[in-house]
Amino acid sequence: GQQVMQIPQYQHVQEGEDFTTYCNSSTTLSNIQWYKQRPGGHPVFLIQLVKSGEVKKQKRLTFQFGEAKKNSSLHITATQTTDVGTYFCAGTASATNKLIFGTGTLLAVQP
Amino acid sequence: NAGVTQTPKFQVLKTGQSMTLQCAQDMNHEYMSWYRQDPGMGLRLIHYSVGAGITDQGEVPNGYNVSRSTTEDFPLRLLSAAPSQTSVYFCASSLGTNTGELFFGEGSRLTVL
Repeated sequence: GQQVMQIPQYQHVQEGEDFTTYCNSSTTLSNIQWYKQRPGGHPVFLIQLVKSGEVKKQKRLTFQFGEAKKNSSLHITATQTTDVGTYFCAGTASATNKLIFGTGTLLAVQP
Repeated sequence: NAGVTQTPKFQVLKTGQSMTLQCAQDMNHEYMSWYRQDPGMGLRLIHYSVGAGITDQGEVPNGYNVSRSTTEDFPLRLLSAAPSQTSVYFCASSLGTNTGELFFGEGSRLTVL
């Protein structure tokens, strides 16, 4: 079945350092979404990418969708303590209606 | 708008008991889904629905039933709870399967003793 893996599982950075999480799917995706979950909270939508090779930016966050539509990345420039949380990617396989989430990357930011 | 409302927020069950987690949305969303979240496992899809009267299995459907008699409601039933079903459950909805943002409820923390 469809599997979506994320690396790393956990990342600890000093405030001001950059951070990247990678998402890899076993199947081709029709789209990829990214979510952020604060500790004790629920996932909150950040962005959706649809096109092969697409790059989108939201302030300090840069999202990429791979050319083959099987991988994606989220890069945060100059992390802040407000960036703390777990970042999930989620993809819909081209052949199904199922939105499958990645395993998530927990980001800790030390002031 | 209330968005996605889940009840209860917390529940403790004994093994073998049954219960229903309620989920309602007031955004007229066609797509609704249930996920469970366990440490290190991310969010795993249990069941989903693309519209009233239509449901389908996700990644981990065993031990759970769902129905979708109205657009607004998508209850999740545990017929005979097991300790392995101890988890945090999230209900989520969106306009469609490929039409963007998934809105999540606040979550229901279930403990099965």
